[in-house]
Amino acid sequence: DTAVSQTPKYLVTQMGNDKSIKCEQNLGHDTMYWYKQDSKKFLKIMFSYNNKELIINETVPNRFSPKSPDKAHLNLHINSLELGDSAVYFCASSHGMPATYGYTFGSGTRLTVV
Amino acid sequence: KNQVEQSPQSLIILEGKNCTLQCNYTVSPFSNLRWYKQDTGRGPVSLTIMTFSENTKSNGRYTATLDADTKQSSLHITASQLSDSASYICVVSALGYAGGTSYGKLTFGQGTILTVHP
Repeated sequence: DTAVSQTPKYLVTQMGNDKSIKCEQNLGHDTMYWYKQDSKKFLKIMFSYNNKELIINETVPNRFSPKSPDKAHLNLHINSLELGDSAVYFCASSHGMPATYGYTFGSGTRLTVV
Repeated sequence: KNQVEQSPQSLIILEGKNCTLQCNYTVSPFSNLRWYKQDTGRGPVSLTIMTFSENTKSNGRYTATLDADTKQSSLHITASQLSDSASYICVVSALGYAGGTSYGKLTFGQGTILTVHP
């Protein structure tokens, strides 16, 4: 199936831990994103990579570090997790920037920090 | 500041009825406007995309309108079905520029939660 796939779907971890969320797309898109959806359902962009190059880096704590080993992968590593990091994180991809033809989102990773 | 506001926050309708969701935005410079459907526990899926010059666009039972002068958009759902129950998110893209590359910077509305009852 052609899609944007994220793993894991659910992640429960303790404060202070370091965790990673993986994202892969097989759509041949050249741009990938990480979004955070908070409890109020707002989606906010965190990072965007175009051809493995960081293009957008919104005001996100340094504890969040994206890594793009190739065009098809964009992983999100989070250090020293805090309670406020609890949210649903969505990976997305698009063809080109701006994404004239729309974005394809993954199913999300629900992160719960306890 | 770029903002997208949607109304109502939630809506309950009976199966087979029509409904209209609203989206007002203050995003500049405007690039395009999308409506997404987000089922519970899933990522958003695009329904329609409209550029500045488009007034209406349909996708099956979904019809989106855009008034670029008043900066308003609506999503009309006809003959609703139980499967239409979801969150509908209005997303407006502004043209941005960073690192020598132009990009579409998205501003998301908070969504309208639609519940269709049998």
